[in-house]
Amino acid sequence: SAVISQKPSRDICQRGTSLTIQCQVDSQVTMMFWYRQQPGQSLTLIATANQGSEATYESGFVIDKFPISRPNLTFSTLTVSNMSPEDSSIYLCSVFLSSGGSTQYFGPGTRLLVL
Amino acid sequence: AQSVTQLDSQVPVFEEAPVELRCNYSSSVSVYLFWYVQYPNQGLQLLLKYLSGSTLVKGINGFEAEFNKSQTSFHLRKPSVHISDTAEYFCAVTTASGGYNKLIFGAGTRLAVHP
Repeated sequence: SAVISQKPSRDICQRGTSLTIQCQVDSQVTMMFWYRQQPGQSLTLIATANQGSEATYESGFVIDKFPISRPNLTFSTLTVSNMSPEDSSIYLCSVFLSSGGSTQYFGPGTRLLVL
Repeated sequence: AQSVTQLDSQVPVFEEAPVELRCNYSSSVSVYLFWYVQYPNQGLQLLLKYLSGSTLVKGINGFEAEFNKSQTSFHLRKPSVHISDTAEYFCAVTTASGGYNKLIFGAGTRLAVHP
């Protein structure tokens, strides 16, 4: 398995500002993912972040709104830009491990409230 | 395309009673199946997974699930629940392979255990 940490764990932000969320993994992983979980909803994949390449965004998500960095095999950041109240969600980092069975593991999430 | 249906959005149950959370999937190819649990204000934790082999899979915290290919189901069961099992439970499916394939989540089932 993998141990994943995220910072911050929660934040309250004003509309129009940006927030950068950090994700740290305790081992080197090729594939990292960012998900959004809107209140009372299931998880929606925002993008896949592989080290050494540009992030791949899912339909409905764009780089200008959710820029992602992946500087090495244990770290990634997601920025939520020009926030509006509709961005209030839980943002989760995830990694894929093929060893021991093809499984995704998730971080504790960042709870964002935009006022 | 793959999909997951969790038939119950909410399941209330009394402490020490048995519980079953239902999950059905749709896929034209072989699948891997997962159950994740999300405790209040936490991220997703892997409860159990089916990759191959025995169709009865045991997970953490006394939960188990049975893969039924003919009924395309992967129902989660626990013979006796505790208050601490109160959480959101997500069933997920992906294509069976050695590499990464997108994880498709169900809408979730909220288990509420009452004293």
